[in-house]
Amino acid sequence: KNEVEQSPQNLTAQEGEFITINCSYSVGISALHWLQQHPGGGIVSLFMLSSGKKKHGRLIATINIQEKHSSLHITASHPRDSAVYICAVRGSQGNLIFGKGTKLSVKP
Amino acid sequence: DTEVTQTPKHLVMGMTNKKSLKCEQHMGHRAMYWYKQKAKKPPELMFVYSYEKLSINESVPSRFSPECPNSSLLNLHLHALQPEDSALYLCASSQGPLARGRSEKLFFGSGTQLSVL
Repeated sequence: KNEVEQSPQNLTAQEGEFITINCSYSVGISALHWLQQHPGGGIVSLFMLSSGKKKHGRLIATINIQEKHSSLHITASHPRDSAVYICAVRGSQGNLIFGKGTKLSVKP
Repeated sequence: DTEVTQTPKHLVMGMTNKKSLKCEQHMGHRAMYWYKQKAKKPPELMFVYSYEKLSINESVPSRFSPECPNSSLLNLHLHALQPEDSALYLCASSQGPLARGRSEKLFFGSGTQLSVL
């Protein structure tokens, strides 16, 4: 079993839909990152959180430390949100453990 | 300036070539990282430089040779690569090293897509 599990692996949505991507982890962590990777490679760090909730524009990230679970929500989704979303956790030694990513396609 | 700049964006090389990948940041970050990413897989850590010293080498073959000439630059020298080394090579930086008890945001470059023929 992977230390970081994301679901779903693939997600197709219609423009305007509310989207949720989930991340569960099995190790002790000091922080959790949500990353966005567009085709062509570049990775953008969306959020880094260790508790509670953070919001940036249409994106919301939450984390429940007790349940070892985080969610990334996208409100009013748009085709430009199409990308791979990666959850990565910072392990107890500072190392970064990546999930396999969720490929999101938003159709107009 | 919150960018990590990587050059070149694309590189095709033969197995006997020597080439270098470059990474630059001017955010004053003191930790820099090289990751390798194969298609449809998550990034894999290769090297970490902390305060211009190599602090982590994840058992990377010697045909990959990192270099940190100063706090803003990180190079990856490539020599005698194999076709299976074809991948996206990502550079990242953070203000300090990702160590226990520290919360550091990572900034990634856009990567170099490497093809080894």
